[in-house]
Amino acid sequence: DAKTTQPNSMESNEEEPVHLPCNHSTISGTDYIHWYRQLPSQGPEYVIHGLTSNVNNRMASLAIAEDRKSSTLILHRATLRDAAVYYCITPNSNSGYALNFGKGTSLLVTP
Amino acid sequence: DAGVTQSPTHLIKTRGQQVTLRCSPISGHKSVSWYQQVLGQGPQFIFQYYEKEERGRGNFPDRFSARQFPNYSSELNVNALLLGDSALYLCASRGAGANVLTFGAGSRLTVL
Repeated sequence: DAKTTQPNSMESNEEEPVHLPCNHSTISGTDYIHWYRQLPSQGPEYVIHGLTSNVNNRMASLAIAEDRKSSTLILHRATLRDAAVYYCITPNSNSGYALNFGKGTSLLVTP
Repeated sequence: DAGVTQSPTHLIKTRGQQVTLRCSPISGHKSVSWYQQVLGQGPQFIFQYYEKEERGRGNFPDRFSARQFPNYSSELNVNALLLGDSALYLCASRGAGANVLTFGAGSRLTVL
């Protein structure tokens, strides 16, 4: 897997947008960028993934830099339920989806 | 539809004992993987199984073993438990052609 770098923690106010950055400068051309999150006392939960184009789903948006060396997960309106650890992962397509989670970004959402 | 189910949810063992953790994937998912998450760290990959064959192994000692059954459920076994094996053990399943994993809530193992 390509190495990813994320801030240890971020804080946001409720109902404001949140931009969670991730650097993955050694990503290969065929590796997808995945985001998972883990709420307290739960297993990780898939959020979104993409390859080159920006992606949107009901949970979030993923903005991928043109050179693919970085990406940003965007939560459009943070809620208290979005407080979690967010992991940016770039699994090697040959790894059988053995995800390398790293430490992720702990997001605190305040009322 | 039921998600990934794991059992037991919590268990306590003593050093030197053996433990078996169980996982049932989402119906139709043939790939199961196991992760260990110690407190304060992200999950670490242990094993992946697909169609009852081991397809990947993480950097864990031989005390850790797993298998997958014909119904695609899986067991993780850990022998000669050490205090450092205390962790949340997560199981995840993946459907054919899918790019994402669905995780269970985990089995929390405490070794005393």
